[in-house]
Amino acid sequence: GENVEQHPSTLSVQEGDSAVIKCTYSDSASNYFPWYKQELGKRPQLIIDIRSNVGEKKDQRIAVTLNKTAKHFSLHITETQPEDSAVYFCAASKGRGSTLGRLYFGRGTQLTVWP
Amino acid sequence: DTEVTQTPKHLVMGMTNKKSLKCEQHMGHRAMYWYKQKAKKPPELMFVYSYEKLSINESVPSRFSPECPNSSLLNLHLHALQPEDSALYLCASSHRDGKELLGHSPLHFGNGTRLTVT
Repeated sequence: GENVEQHPSTLSVQEGDSAVIKCTYSDSASNYFPWYKQELGKRPQLIIDIRSNVGEKKDQRIAVTLNKTAKHFSLHITETQPEDSAVYFCAASKGRGSTLGRLYFGRGTQLTVWP
Repeated sequence: DTEVTQTPKHLVMGMTNKKSLKCEQHMGHRAMYWYKQKAKKPPELMFVYSYEKLSINESVPSRFSPECPNSSLLNLHLHALQPEDSALYLCASSHRDGKELLGHSPLHFGNGTRLTVT
């Protein structure tokens, strides 16, 4: 099966700084890479995703990059704010077919943004 | 507001009790999922239903019994649970087309049921 590694496990930044979370995956057939944000006591929420036919995707302060050759993808948050504090999970999936939406999650990164 | 609704929000049950968790979505999604999440850990997949048929069972113990009465509802029946089953149980749904032309569709999670087994 797929193995997704996520680093770092904890990340503390000052408000206004950038934050970068990195993930690697093992299965070259994986082609869909979502990122979820989970605030304390709440559900995971999709914040951005990328498919393997794209190298980079941006949505306001959040961007994701994908390097298929190296099998790694990263989440970049610019101009961080205290409300960005949460646990972030990366995930990988083969998408269609028999996998039926099976997501393989990284272990999560606790991001803390200090005012 | 979440588009996937789970009830109850909290549940405390003894090891001999029988209870059920409920999940409902009205987005027309034809894939529905149960996940289990322990504190500070990622969600772990338990079951997947596709077009109301059980497609994936991740070797979950039989004390957990899923049911999909129709395309909008998903239940998880609980019986003879153990204290280590205490966790947040998340329901999710995603779009699915019959010919798999859409590729992967994002998961929409409910707010979960916080289960405590005493």
